[in-house]
Amino acid sequence: SQELEQSPQSLIVQEGKNLTINCTSSKTLYGLYWYKQKYGEGLIFLMMLQKGGEEKSHEKITAKLDEKKQQSSLHITASQPSHAGIYLCGAEGSARQLTFGSGTQLTVLP
Amino acid sequence: DTAVSQTPKYLVTQMGNDKSIKCEQNLGHDTMYWYKQDSKKFLKIMFSYNNKELIINETVPNRFSPKSPDKAHLNLHINSLELGDSAVYFCASSRLGQGAQGTEAFFGQGTRLTVV
Repeated sequence: SQELEQSPQSLIVQEGKNLTINCTSSKTLYGLYWYKQKYGEGLIFLMMLQKGGEEKSHEKITAKLDEKKQQSSLHITASQPSHAGIYLCGAEGSARQLTFGSGTQLTVLP
Repeated sequence: DTAVSQTPKYLVTQMGNDKSIKCEQNLGHDTMYWYKQDSKKFLKIMFSYNNKELIINETVPNRFSPKSPDKAHLNLHINSLELGDSAVYFCASSRLGQGAQGTEAFFGQGTRLTVV
């Protein structure tokens, strides 16, 4: 079965700093999803990557998938308190179910 | 106008009781899911239904029974609740289709189940 490892498990940064969250898969990824979860709320879709070497950006968040399609990174530029939450990467399975990593808890200090 | 809505949001119940969580989506999706998030925030698939048909049934105790009366609804019934069932349960929906744009899963707000 596919396993996803996320690092770091938690991250505390000062507002305005850049940060990167990594997601490594035990198998080739056919669809890699990034979601954000705020405490007590559901998951909010951020981005989906499918092709090796693909990179997508939305506002200050950039996600990349490596050429071998086994590693993805999520980069936040000039972090803000609104970026705080749990970031989850998810690998798509054959029936479109997602296998998630263990999550990265991000705290942004004002 | 919520896309995926779950009820109730909070559920506190005693061991041994039977409870249900309801989920509805108004996105016209053909696939719905139940996920469980444990106390360590680890999120794991439980069930998946496509057009009312069960397509994924992970290693989940028989006490958990999903029911899909139509494509827009997927309810989760839990019998004989145990302390270890305490978790947050998320419903989600998507369109079936491998990795295409616009087929990401939409998640409900979650139901926090506490068994005492």
